[in-house]
Amino acid sequence: ETGVTQTPRHLVMGMTNKKSLKCEQHLGHNAMYWYKQSAKKPLELMFVYSLEERVENNSVPSRFSPECPNSSHLFLHLHTLQPEDSALYLCASSQDGKGRDEQYFGPGTRLTVT
Amino acid sequence: AQTVTQSQPEMSVQEAETVTLSCTYDTSESDYYLFWYKQPPSRQMILVIRQEAYKQQNATENRFSVNFQKAAKSFSLKISDSQLGDAAMYFCAYRSGLGGGSNYKLTFGKGTLLTVNP
Repeated sequence: ETGVTQTPRHLVMGMTNKKSLKCEQHLGHNAMYWYKQSAKKPLELMFVYSLEERVENNSVPSRFSPECPNSSHLFLHLHTLQPEDSALYLCASSQDGKGRDEQYFGPGTRLTVT
Repeated sequence: AQTVTQSQPEMSVQEAETVTLSCTYDTSESDYYLFWYKQPPSRQMILVIRQEAYKQQNATENRFSVNFQKAAKSFSLKISDSQLGDAAMYFCAYRSGLGGGSNYKLTFGKGTLLTVNP
């Protein structure tokens, strides 16, 4: 399997649930990202990991908790979410994350919070 | 903070014709990078073309080219000989060329939905 994969592709959860999103990249990249994509809004960068170290956290609420156990895997742990957190969550990876470096995106997880 | 503006929420083009998507950005930096990404209905976003701010020559990738006007802070995308497979949401994005943590961040516009009519 190649590229960036994300599971699950669709997730419906209640506000009291705990769930996790998984991202895996098979490209040998050193940087990984979580984005939130909501309708009619620009993509919002949530977290960046470079060489498994978090290098950016864009004022994301603590109900979102990232984890990067190695350079190929990235998780987003979710707990006590709000309905406004419903969105498409995109994972991406890139070689080193700087300059003209291209980001490769996964297909996304469509999250619905009820 | 940098901002990216795409003033055309939707555009349409006839197959085989040419269309131009607009993008402007606001920055006080002189070193940066600009990108156009495409997100087809299947949702997997891919890079279309990129431009380094220090390069005067406009980037081209087959049927895709940009018109980079640094002084005007404009970065438009031209698609020639449009094909049905070009139908997608197109996002313009900016990355700082400065050192430090800000280098990682891509700032995206809201996107332009392109429809290609047969």
